[in-house]
Amino acid sequence: DGGITQSPKYLFRKEGQNVTLSCEQNLNHDAMYWYRQDPGQGLRLIYYSQIVNDFQKGDIAEGYSVSREKKESFPLTVTSAQKNPTAFYLCASITGTSPTGELFFGEGSRLTVL
Amino acid sequence: AQRVTQPEKLLSVFKGAPVELKCNYSYSGSPELFWYVQYSRQRLQLLLRHISRESIKGFTADLNKGETSFHLKKPFAQEEDSAMYYCALLTGANNLFFGTGTRLTVIP
Repeated sequence: DGGITQSPKYLFRKEGQNVTLSCEQNLNHDAMYWYRQDPGQGLRLIYYSQIVNDFQKGDIAEGYSVSREKKESFPLTVTSAQKNPTAFYLCASITGTSPTGELFFGEGSRLTVL
Repeated sequence: AQRVTQPEKLLSVFKGAPVELKCNYSYSGSPELFWYVQYSRQRLQLLLRHISRESIKGFTADLNKGETSFHLKKPFAQEEDSAMYYCALLTGANNLFFGTGTRLTVIP
């Protein structure tokens, strides 16, 4: 069953701790994205990666880090430097070929900082 | 810089009534616009794209470059249309820039 898998669905962490959210896709998509979804603010792009071993900052990259060592995987680390990390995080991917614009999303990970 | 504005955070209509979800954009390039939808307990998914000029689940959206708008319309709302709707603008390199979303509630 092809798709994007995010884990964990729910995560709690204490202030000062780093946490890594997993995103795996078996769609053979080239590009992968991390968005943050907050009530009233829509989706905001954190990081994206067009190809393996390359990634770019989005609009709100501060306090986050990523890696893209494999095409299938794009983990997001929320570091202790992120001032307001409690949020819902969405991973998405897109094929490099047409049609453009159709992102495929995971089910999301909800991070709560205690 | 690009901008996508969805002025209504919440919109309620009665079943069978027409519905229009507003979206305005600002972009220096040639715009490609999309509507995404998130039903309760489901993933965010593409509803329609302007270049296809298609009608999906009775919804249509016309790109109006003069008014820089891409409003989503449906003549007769159904209860199953209740969801969160996001307007999105495709910028360079396959990046989608999303609006803040409108939560549509269709009242039975």
